[in-house]
Amino acid sequence: AQSVTQPDIHITVSEGASLELRCNYSYGATPYLFWYVQSPGQGLQLLLKYFSGDTLVQGIKGFEAEFKRSQSSFNLRKPSVHWSDAAEYFCAVGARGFQKLVFGTGTRLLVSP
Amino acid sequence: NAGVTQTPKFRVLKTGQSMTLLCAQDMNHEYMYWYRQDPGMGLRLIHYSVGEGTTAKGEVPDGYNVSRLKKQNFLLGLESAAPSQTSVYFCASSYSGEPYEQYFGPGTRLTVT
Repeated sequence: AQSVTQPDIHITVSEGASLELRCNYSYGATPYLFWYVQSPGQGLQLLLKYFSGDTLVQGIKGFEAEFKRSQSSFNLRKPSVHWSDAAEYFCAVGARGFQKLVFGTGTRLLVSP
Repeated sequence: NAGVTQTPKFRVLKTGQSMTLLCAQDMNHEYMYWYRQDPGMGLRLIHYSVGEGTTAKGEVPDGYNVSRLKKQNFLLGLESAAPSQTSVYFCASSYSGEPYEQYFGPGTRLTVT
């Protein structure tokens, strides 16, 4: 069965600084990987996804993520954080032929002035 | 194109009362899901459906029932609400093709007193 670990519960970043949110997954075959963002009081919005091909994927709002099979990781990055990026971020893993996603427990991003 | 909508947005119930949450999607998606979100626990799958007339149990199905009588609607029922069911409930839907990326509704905040 798949599982996802987001080791950081909270992260604080200064506005304009770079950001990296960690995600580690457990799955025997090539997974489908997703990052979602949840603004306060809102539903989840898909930022980006990986399911094959180039291991560096670009998403919306200037985010990118890199799939590293050797490290079982799919870390989310952004070169310069804006105050509007403050939100909770969820990593999720899916699998071929398996209609469900497994979500991590989330990382709350705080952006300081 | 409204995407995924949920009704109601907020609800307060007394222990033992019943209620139904409605999820509707206008994207012609085959798959639909109900999750609950609790602090520090991420999203946990309650029930899901892979097509009209089908339902299946997720990770935390106890105390909930679902029905998918029409392709565009997925109902979540609580027959006898308990305080442990105080949570934020999210509905999601996805295409039947891989990688099964899910689109989320705005959520329903339920409080059981």
